[in-house]
Amino acid sequence: EVHLLESGGGLVQPGGSLRLSCAASGFTFSTYAMSWVRQVPGKGLEWVSAISGSGDTTYYADSVKARFTISRDNSNNTLYVQMNSLRADDTAVYYCSRHPPRLPFDYWGQGILVTVSS
Amino acid sequence: DIQMTQSPSTLSASVGDRVTITCRASQSFSSWLAWYQQKPGKAPKLLIYKASSLESGVPSRFSGSGSGTEFTLTISSLQPDDFATYYCQQYNRLWTFGQGTKVEIK
Repeated sequence: EVHLLESGGGLVQPGGSLRLSCAASGFTFSTYAMSWVRQVPGKGLEWVSAISGSGDTTYYADSVKARFTISRDNSNNTLYVQMNSLRADDTAVYYCSRHPPRLPFDYWGQGILVTVSS
Repeated sequence: DIQMTQSPSTLSASVGDRVTITCRASQSFSSWLAWYQQKPGKAPKLLIYKASSLESGVPSRFSGSGSGTEFTLTISSLQPDDFATYYCQQYNRLWTFGQGTKVEIK
């Protein structure tokens, strides 16, 4: 059974940093691209960043470019996002998800809350 | 960037109603369009991919259609479990979600 579990969220001050992790199990992790998607409580979904299965290609939404860095450790089946220069509008629930080639996001984690506030 | 616009933002309906949600794209693309259902406090669930393909395990009352710039999600007979928020997503070039349509009880 596919399982994705995010961790690392919490409260951080504006300008601070946080690293989220997503532990994957139940599938061959290295063969799937992965993404981070966020959702401000009560609002819609926003795609944040994606990484290829090998980790050599990354993509970012304009809203996080140059501040967030996505990465993965295929030996430990874990996806990461390093979030720097955090702002209040980065406050959201962050989901990790997987997407097979030319298919949308078929499995999602349960989400982790990141709150940016002083 | 491809922008996705859903309508309506909120839809009030009764059990048994036929419901249609529309998603319009800012530029034309083939069929790389998905629909998700999300309930409060839960992760989104994939319903439809490639505009009209039903994800495994999803009830057949859900269907999708469209291409180019206009796509629709139809629920043929609304069930109590279907009251939720629905999102379209293009995955033709990067990934973009619509703003969501909340289906609420009339």
